[in-house]
Amino acid sequence: DGGITQSPKYLFRKEGQNVTLSCEQNLNHDAMYWYRQDPGQGLRLIYYSQIVNDFQKGDIAEGYSVSREKKESFPLTVTSAQKNPTAFYLCATRDVGASGYTFGSGTRLTVV
Amino acid sequence: AQSVTQLDSQVPVFEEAPVELRCNYSSSVSVYLFWYVQYPNQGLQLLLKYLSGSTLVKGINGFEAEFNKSQTSFHLRKPSVHISDTAEYFCAVSEGTAGNKLTFGGGTRVLVKP
Repeated sequence: DGGITQSPKYLFRKEGQNVTLSCEQNLNHDAMYWYRQDPGQGLRLIYYSQIVNDFQKGDIAEGYSVSREKKESFPLTVTSAQKNPTAFYLCATRDVGASGYTFGSGTRLTVV
Repeated sequence: AQSVTQLDSQVPVFEEAPVELRCNYSSSVSVYLFWYVQYPNQGLQLLLKYLSGSTLVKGINGFEAEFNKSQTSFHLRKPSVHISDTAEYFCAVSEGTAGNKLTFGGGTRVLVKP
């Protein structure tokens, strides 16, 4: 089945640690996106990538980093510089010429 | 810059009653409009989208939405809800440029009561 796999589903991080969230897709979509979801605030764009080896900052990129070395993969690193990382993180993809997104099932990150 | 406002953060409704979720957007150019549904601890699923053409758009699970350009609105409706419609609903807009970024509203939580 084609789809998006986000792992892990739940992640716990100690303060001061970097953690990496995985997003893998077999849809052959060119564009990939990372959103952060907080209660009552909807989804906010962190980073996006339209092609391999290229990515752009979204609205809340500070404290995050990404890479796009392969078309299928768009990992997100939450660094220790992100002061409030506890949130639900969603990865999405979009095919060239298409207008809508396909979403993964998300990773819930909690700082302990 | 585009923005989306969902006017109700929570909507309680009885089973088999109708429901309307309100969405207003602002943009200086033509837009594409979307409604997504999210069940607890899951990703978002597309309910319907408006790209062009007929302003009344029908989606999955009996939902429909009407695009009103003069009022910059895209309200979502369902004539008769089920318990299984309990979820959070997001309105989103894309201007079709700059990476086709989607901008989301804050969400409306629908609670269907028996």
